[in-house]
Amino acid sequence: DTGVSQNPRHKITKRGQNVTFRCDPISEHNRLYWYRQTLGQGPEFLTYFQNEAQLEKSRLLSDRFSAERPKGSFSTLEIQRTEQGDSAMYLCASTQGPLGYGYTFGSGTRLTVV
Amino acid sequence: QKEVEQNSGPLSVPEGAIASLNCTYSDRGSQSFFWYRQYSGKSPELIMSIYSNGDKEDGRFTAQLNKASQYVSLLIRDSQPSDSATYLCAVDTGTASKLTFGTGTRLQVTL
Repeated sequence: DTGVSQNPRHKITKRGQNVTFRCDPISEHNRLYWYRQTLGQGPEFLTYFQNEAQLEKSRLLSDRFSAERPKGSFSTLEIQRTEQGDSAMYLCASTQGPLGYGYTFGSGTRLTVV
Repeated sequence: QKEVEQNSGPLSVPEGAIASLNCTYSDRGSQSFFWYRQYSGKSPELIMSIYSNGDKEDGRFTAQLNKASQYVSLLIRDSQPSDSATYLCAVDTGTASKLTFGTGTRLQVTL
């Protein structure tokens, strides 16, 4: 594995459309995280999976957001009825075992809602 | 009070100088501390981790941790123009399942 892979790299969508992002973590990593980062801010936690179980969701994750990690492998993040405020960089990260080893981030998906 | 605070900068240092970046955190239960470097338009890259009070050195980078004062710092010696980036401080409380990030400090290394 060369790292965490995210697709697409860029997505431009019209307000009200649905979008889906994909993250492929490093294969031996059992923890997978989604973060959102807007300009001038640090990454903000959205949700976290350990294997296939979604163990925590941020209050930032409204009902329009849903994430899955079937079979504990890749993960998808879907945003329904996108709003301009959803424009951000969506980052996926993975790690193995204790969180104290830090994350490896993917290259991110930049979403622009017009 | 924000959980992890950093001065947004920009911090401007001349090439070859020492850059000092600081971070304070609010949760006394925090156990692991990380510094990430983020170039414009790119994702964060882990450069240092520190878990115990004191200094930890890795090449030109030194991380310093003082849990009593709840601050962590990053020193970059012999700063190079390629060090120009935003540096994010991240904290793991040990009881949570995620890292909490500061807003980052933008470093500019001038020629």
